[in-house]
Amino acid sequence: EVQLVQSGAEVKKPGESLKISCKGSGYSFTSNWIGWVRQMPGKGLEWMGFINPDDSDTRYSPSFQGQVTFSADKSINTAYLQWSSLKASDTAMYYCARLVYTGTYYFDYWGQGTLVTVSS
Amino acid sequence: SYELTQPPSVSVSPGQTARITCSGDALPKKYASWYQQKSGQAPVLVIYEDSKRPSGIPERFSGSSSGTMATLTISGAQVEDEADYYCYSTDSSGNLYVFGAGTKVTVL
Repeated sequence: EVQLVQSGAEVKKPGESLKISCKGSGYSFTSNWIGWVRQMPGKGLEWMGFINPDDSDTRYSPSFQGQVTFSADKSINTAYLQWSSLKASDTAMYYCARLVYTGTYYFDYWGQGTLVTVSS
Repeated sequence: SYELTQPPSVSVSPGQTARITCSGDALPKKYASWYQQKSGQAPVLVIYEDSKRPSGIPERFSGSSSGTMATLTISGAQVEDEADYYCYSTDSSGNLYVFGAGTKVTVL
């Protein structure tokens, strides 16, 4: 059974750093790209970008380029989303999801989400 | 930039057909996928490649695409289908992916 399990909720202060994780199981982790999706409170889904866990090739949405960093450790089947200096506007639910490519990418399995709260 | 346009809301009675549209300039050449998100839950894939249904998704969910519009149809909508629905696709270059703003489906 394919599963993506994300790390737990985080409460941080503005300016702090943070790294959240997404661990895959039930499939060959390096065979599919992993995507990250933001959902701010009461709002819709936003595509943040993708990472290839096999070689750590990344693609960022222009809206998130330079604001976050994707990484992956294929030895432990885990992808990461990282901030170096959080802002209150980073408060959101963050989802990782497995990608399938058939001419266009789509997400077939999703993690349960990690809630990040940034508040002074 | 690139946008996918969805109606904010659709309301139907139980047993009726709900149709949710998604409009985008690149849809004639790029597949759309659709995601259902119930309150407090992670999204779930309900349609991919415009019209394919993953295993475990009820047959009442179907998808189609014509020109610049993709459509998700819920035939015989049930109360448990109440959720937000999002389309997802890419621009003509294949580099910029976007979600539509989402459509809230109410079944009552």
